[in-house]
Amino acid sequence: EAGVTQFPSHSVIEKGQTVTLRCDPISGHDNLYWYRRVMGKEIKFLLHFVKESKQDESGMPNNRFLAERTGGTYSTLKVQPAELEDSGVYFCASSTLAAETQYFGPGTRLLVL
Amino acid sequence: AQKVTQAQTEISVVEKEDVTLDCVYETRDTTYYLFWYKQPPSGELVFLIRRNSFDEQNEISGRYSWNFQKSTSSFNFTITASQVVDSAVYFCALSAAGGTSYGKLTFGQGTILTVHP
Repeated sequence: EAGVTQFPSHSVIEKGQTVTLRCDPISGHDNLYWYRRVMGKEIKFLLHFVKESKQDESGMPNNRFLAERTGGTYSTLKVQPAELEDSGVYFCASSTLAAETQYFGPGTRLLVL
Repeated sequence: AQKVTQAQTEISVVEKEDVTLDCVYETRDTTYYLFWYKQPPSGELVFLIRRNSFDEQNEISGRYSWNFQKSTSSFNFTITASQVVDSAVYFCALSAAGGTSYGKLTFGQGTILTVHP
């Protein structure tokens, strides 16, 4: 069974540009989560989808971040316009509706110059 | 609000030594879950264990063991006879078992474990 996949693995962009990160959860997992780890800090929750609906987006830092999960399958996280402080590793995780354990993808390393 | 503290930023041991990674948590939830994840140099977060708040039995899996003590709000992780392949960043995490924020993981800062040959 394929795990959670994320694309791209790395992204280097300039301040003011737009970047879109993609996450493909494990097949059949209705819960999808986005987290971020900024350099030197702990991993922080961004938001949680249940199927295509946003269950909790309390961790989204500001309105430059837009997450979507059309059709309840893969999810995208768009940063527009990117700022220097957006640099970090963005993790995606998924779980079944009944399960409490989240399985993580390899992360996308974003560097904003 | 939930909080997880991993006081040890870095630990360095020599192969075959036992090592314990500490984790202390704070939560107002009566039921919750505790987790440990491993992040090897390749970068992905690998799930190691989940413990329910109502189950204080310690768990052993091979060289790994976990000690959950509700009285001290601690969930410590011990690696026995450490190996070089255990070198990684280890994260302790906490989530509520219900409510609107169910599933939302609160992570500790991580402990970098280096095992020298």
